Amino acid sequence: GAGVSQSPSNKVTEKGKDVELRCDPISGHTALYWYRQSLGQGLEFLIYFQGNSAPDKSGLPSDRFSAERTGGSVSTLTIQRTQQEDSAVYLCASSTQGSSYEQYFGPGTRLTVT
Amino acid sequence: DQQVKQNSPSLSVQEGRISILNCDYTNSMFDYFLWYKKYPAEGPTFLISISSIKDKNEDGRFTVFLNKSAKHLSLHIVPSQPGDSAVYFCAASSHSGAGSYQLTFGKGTKLSVIP
Repeated sequence: GAGVSQSPSNKVTEKGKDVELRCDPISGHTALYWYRQSLGQGLEFLIYFQGNSAPDKSGLPSDRFSAERTGGSVSTLTIQRTQQEDSAVYLCASSTQGSSYEQYFGPGTRLTVT
Repeated sequence: DQQVKQNSPSLSVQEGRISILNCDYTNSMFDYFLWYKKYPAEGPTFLISISSIKDKNEDGRFTVFLNKSAKHLSLHIVPSQPGDSAVYFCAASSHSGAGSYQLTFGKGTKLSVIP
């Protein structure tokens, strides 16, 4: 079946602009995660959605970052007033509630802020 | 404060030999450990995992060893193949506490298998 998909695959934006990144999880997966990977770094947790529960936003680096998940499926990560340090690959992952340790990742969105 | 450390950024191994990738962690609350493999321009793919109640898990050419007292785990690939060339990430999670199954990742080790 289809895996996790993300769009766009690449995004170049000017400093100060807002961007929206989209994630389509695997159908039936109730848990959805956003991570980012900056150059030379490991993956950094951003936010976690599980079913209808309140999201775990503990990894969001600032209030310029927000995410929503509509209808328990598609998720959008929004970065307002982008800064150069926001440049990174943003990865989305999903998992079933029963095997939530094994997360399935999308290909990522490479964000470049100029 | 890096809770999961992969101290070798890169590793080169001859085809057919054993590859050993190492990972250390500091958080004693971690109770599940995973290895992910990542090719360029792709997302990480799950490779193998181990629960803290075990000290070894094997899947084909891949074996993960866990030494809880040393807070150390390793991934063994034998025999190594050129298609194994990728970046390998060690990750850890805790099933206790708030209930979020977020993974904490190391920075990765780039494995190159030389034909």
